[in-house]
Amino acid sequence: SQKIEQNSEALNIQEGKTATLTCNYTNYSPAYLQWYRQDPGRGPVFLLLIRENEKEKRKERLKVTFDTTLKQSLFHITASQPADSATYLCALGGLTGGGNKLTFGTGTQLKVEL
Amino acid sequence: DGGITQSPKYLFRKEGQNVTLSCEQNLNHDAMYWYRQDPGQGLRLIYYSQIVNDFQKGDIAEGYSVSREKKESFPLTVTSAQKNPTAFYLCASSMVLAGDEQFFGPGTRLTVL
Repeated sequence: SQKIEQNSEALNIQEGKTATLTCNYTNYSPAYLQWYRQDPGRGPVFLLLIRENEKEKRKERLKVTFDTTLKQSLFHITASQPADSATYLCALGGLTGGGNKLTFGTGTQLKVEL
Repeated sequence: DGGITQSPKYLFRKEGQNVTLSCEQNLNHDAMYWYRQDPGQGLRLIYYSQIVNDFQKGDIAEGYSVSREKKESFPLTVTSAQKNPTAFYLCASSMVLAGDEQFFGPGTRLTVL
């Protein structure tokens, strides 16, 4: 069966450390992968896009990797701050017959503590 | 002020009633989407539309209906056939090129009593 798995338990880290979030998928062949941030009671906000032919993308303190052999993406936030506390969603796109649809994972809740 | 709006933010309805959720965008996007989110869950696609007067079912379309008569508007009707309609509903829009980001509205929290 098809699955997208993100850490189901909340990730708690100390301010200033690097947070690493995982997105694993099974029986999908995405052409690209996106990461979104969602705050409680609000809609998700786009953060980064990485395509299947790219190994790594960076944007300010954010870095995402995409390994199509392992079927995994890692999302890193360096020098984390309490304001980074939120739920982070990965989404697969460019699936066969899918057009521009995205299929979302369940999200990982990140808490950055002082 | 460009963006995507949803109304109302909170909606209460009695069981057995149909209810329509509004979604409007002024981003000139061709594609629009409706998602449902349950507590602790990711987003599940209900319907999407890539062009006016055309739309496709997503993964959980049963009990829902949509229309796309204007580029800016994509209303969602939650019908009485939807077995468990209480949820957080999110509307999004995007361009149609592969990889284009989706812009989300603030969401409507529907509670069926």
